[in-house]
Amino acid sequence: ILNVEQSPQSLHVQEGDSTNFTCSFPSSNFYALHWYRWETAKSPEALFVMTLNGDEKKKGRISATLNTKEGYSYLYIKGSQPEDSATYLCAFIAGTYKYIFGTGTRLKVLA
Amino acid sequence: SQTIHQWPATLVQPVGSPLSLECTVEGTSNPNLYWYRQAAGRGLQLLFYSVGIGQISSEVPQNLSASRPQDRQFILSSKKLLLSDSGFYLCAWTGDSPYEQYFGPGTRLTVT
Repeated sequence: ILNVEQSPQSLHVQEGDSTNFTCSFPSSNFYALHWYRWETAKSPEALFVMTLNGDEKKKGRISATLNTKEGYSYLYIKGSQPEDSATYLCAFIAGTYKYIFGTGTRLKVLA
Repeated sequence: SQTIHQWPATLVQPVGSPLSLECTVEGTSNPNLYWYRQAAGRGLQLLFYSVGIGQISSEVPQNLSASRPQDRQFILSSKKLLLSDSGFYLCAWTGDSPYEQYFGPGTRLTVT
């Protein structure tokens, strides 16, 4: 059974703090890793798709790195803002149709 | 541009009642379609996916079923709901690139 784990489960930070989360996935049968931002009562919003070992992606204050050999990805948020509050999901893509999601990291940024 | 619709947005149903959730995609043809569920305190679980009309693959055995009667329509059904079917149901699609999956707005189902 393929398992994707995210840590921490939840996180509270102060506005302006930088933070990071981890997504751990199987290091075999890797096709791609996807990060999503999910706000309550909305659909998940795609942040990054990462396919190559050593990939680094950036969008504004959010960035991500990928290590396929050891099976982990980090998501970083620099200078957190209240609007960054959401659940951050990673999805391990094990094949053309097979997305396996982690349970997410719930981030709350306190003003 | 592509758009994905789901309805209803929220639903409260008694145990033992039937279920039908609908998902449609606009602006693309021959998408791969997916149904996911998030139960309370858990991650997103893939329930079904479809690569074409009438082609359904089930990931988890349960009392739910899916159908794809048209290219851009995906339906999730149950003949008799269980309490454990409560959750947030998301429909998603991928196009030519399997690496980019887009989600609908979701349906919150509460089984009482």
